[in-house]
Amino acid sequence: DAGVTQSPTHLIKTRGQHVTLRCSPISGHKSVSWYQQVLGQGPQFIFQYYEKEERGRGNFPDRFSARQFPNYSSELNVNALLLGDSALYLCASSLLNTGELFFGEGSRLTVL
Amino acid sequence: SQQGEEDPQALSIQEGENATMNCSYKTSINNLQWYRQNSGRGLVHLILIRSNEREKHSGRLRVTLDTSKKSSSLLITASRAADTASYFCATVPSGSSNTGKLIFGQGTTLQVKP
Repeated sequence: DAGVTQSPTHLIKTRGQHVTLRCSPISGHKSVSWYQQVLGQGPQFIFQYYEKEERGRGNFPDRFSARQFPNYSSELNVNALLLGDSALYLCASSLLNTGELFFGEGSRLTVL
Repeated sequence: SQQGEEDPQALSIQEGENATMNCSYKTSINNLQWYRQNSGRGLVHLILIRSNEREKHSGRLRVTLDTSKKSSSLLITASRAADTASYFCATVPSGSSNTGKLIFGQGTTLQVKP
């Protein structure tokens, strides 16, 4: 069975640009969460979506937005990129009540 | 912001030795989980312990939870070179219905020398 898939795996952007990251959850998983991991730190929660509705939002500016589609895949959008947005962006899917998250390999964003 | 601290930040041991990592957290929790990450790749779930449990085992892994001290430990027995990775604890706050929101610690980097 396919795990969580994320695309692209690596990308380079310049300050002020926007980026869209994509995530496909494990089949049957309706919950998708996004995390940002800056080098040397633990992941920080950005968003959770369940059944296409936002279930939670972390302490990130409005430049960050996300959505979930009818097939439960998800997009994370970041506008007006800053150097500090350089990080590994991780997507995780889950069955809502089990607690265990299944992570993709991440999208590594570099902002120059 | 991170939920808590992990200790030590880095650990280097010989193959065959045991590795112990500690995690402290700040608020009451529903459950605590441990994840492993190889070289900046995706995280892999290792074990989940609920707030009403004190100890849990999975293969060579042993996790303890002390809710009175708001702390947990992960013991890896008979370590192997393949155990080299970063290990993170993560918590779900008590009363939270948002099970997709984990609060991670800073992680412990484990190096197991052959």
